[in-house]
Amino acid sequence: EAGVVQSPRYKIIEKKQPVAFWCNPISGHNTLYWYRQNLGQGPELLIRYENEEAVDDSQLPKDRFSAERLKGVDSTLKIQPAELGDSAVYLCASSPGQGSTEAFFGQGTRLTVV
Amino acid sequence: GQSLEQPSEVTAVEGAIVQMNCTYQTSGFYGLSWYQQHDGGAPTFLSYNALDGLEETGRFSSFLSRSDSYGYLLLQELQMKDSASYFCAVRRMDSSYKLIFGSGTRLLVRP
Repeated sequence: EAGVVQSPRYKIIEKKQPVAFWCNPISGHNTLYWYRQNLGQGPELLIRYENEEAVDDSQLPKDRFSAERLKGVDSTLKIQPAELGDSAVYLCASSPGQGSTEAFFGQGTRLTVV
Repeated sequence: GQSLEQPSEVTAVEGAIVQMNCTYQTSGFYGLSWYQQHDGGAPTFLSYNALDGLEETGRFSSFLSRSDSYGYLLLQELQMKDSASYFCAVRRMDSSYKLIFGSGTRLLVRP
């Protein structure tokens, strides 16, 4: 069974440019998370979806970040415009449901803003 | 709010036993989880403690004491491949079900 798939693996962009990340969760998983991980730190939740509904986006910087999960499967996370401080690894994770004890993570997208 | 504290680094010798601690301040959570992350890799689930006590899975054991706001991950018979970062995490006991991670302990296993 395929795990959580993210693309691209790496992205380098200039500040003020837009960027988008894509995530394909494990088939049948209703819950999808986007996390940001800075070097030497633990993942920090940006947004959580239950099916196609964003149920927790309190940590998402809504002035420049947006996300969507059309049809409750794949998801995209967008930053526009990017800032130097956005350089980090963006991780997508999924789980069967919100009460699941385990989250399955993708390899992440390493974003470098120059 | 919630916060989880972990020592930043631990070094141990191959074949030895190492314990990585996690202390937390949270108003309520469902359980304590542990994740392993190799450099450049995805965090992977190791264990979950819903109740106080010890959970054992092969060379890995995890412990939780809610009264002490404390947990730990124990690795036995250390192998070089165990060199990685280890994160404790709790899921908030409210409608958000938010999974909150500690800052992680970087384990270096030496020959």
